Amino acid sequence: GAVVSQHPSWVICKSGTSVKIECRSLDFQATTMFWYRQFPKQSLMLMATSNEGSKATYEQGVEKDKFLINHASLTLSTLTVTSAHPEDSSFYICSARDPPRGNTIYFGEGSWLTVV
Amino acid sequence: QKEVEQNSGPLSVPEGAIASLNCTYSDRGSQSFFWYRQYSGKSPELIMFIYSNGDKEDGRFTAQLNKASQYVSLLIRDSQPSDSATYLCAVNIYNTDKLIFGTGTRLQVFP
Repeated sequence: GAVVSQHPSWVICKSGTSVKIECRSLDFQATTMFWYRQFPKQSLMLMATSNEGSKATYEQGVEKDKFLINHASLTLSTLTVTSAHPEDSSFYICSARDPPRGNTIYFGEGSWLTVV
Repeated sequence: QKEVEQNSGPLSVPEGAIASLNCTYSDRGSQSFFWYRQYSGKSPELIMFIYSNGDKEDGRFTAQLNKASQYVSLLIRDSQPSDSATYLCAVNIYNTDKLIFGTGTRLQVFP
């Protein structure tokens, strides 16, 4: 079964509003999670590293004030897209690794965001 | 230069044939290499990972790694229509769990 879960699976929001996406590790503690974004017919692009109890580390070109990441517990990271615009419409995916299970990096189911 | 490069395809093969997918990477310090399969609209699912030079086989899949030439490939034997998907090559940044993905190769297996 899934070890990393995302919610919601899809969301539609109005331009200018904010939307929050959750990523949970279901039966393990994840001190680090990763957020990716995928536009249609493109590859996954790493946005940021979510660190439990500290600030996220953003990849070059990703606006930290627009994509707020909070990793308040060992099983939950959230990504908030603030003041969303249509160009933010994308597939957002999180990932985490459970060291006792080995080196496999597990992905969540992904969250489709459509900004209208 | 892109860090991880793949031919976008589509690669079309008949059912039962061998599909060969290739990937090159730029960072010689890369340690771990992954192949993911992604169906349209879904999250990637891991097929295989490989760390050492040479071949690694798992069922119909064989991953091949050549660190000197900085390429990694995936062979799919006895291809099935259900194998039709986009195959993503990913490279692990040294000593982290960050993955850098290639653009993916779309595979089409026709009956």
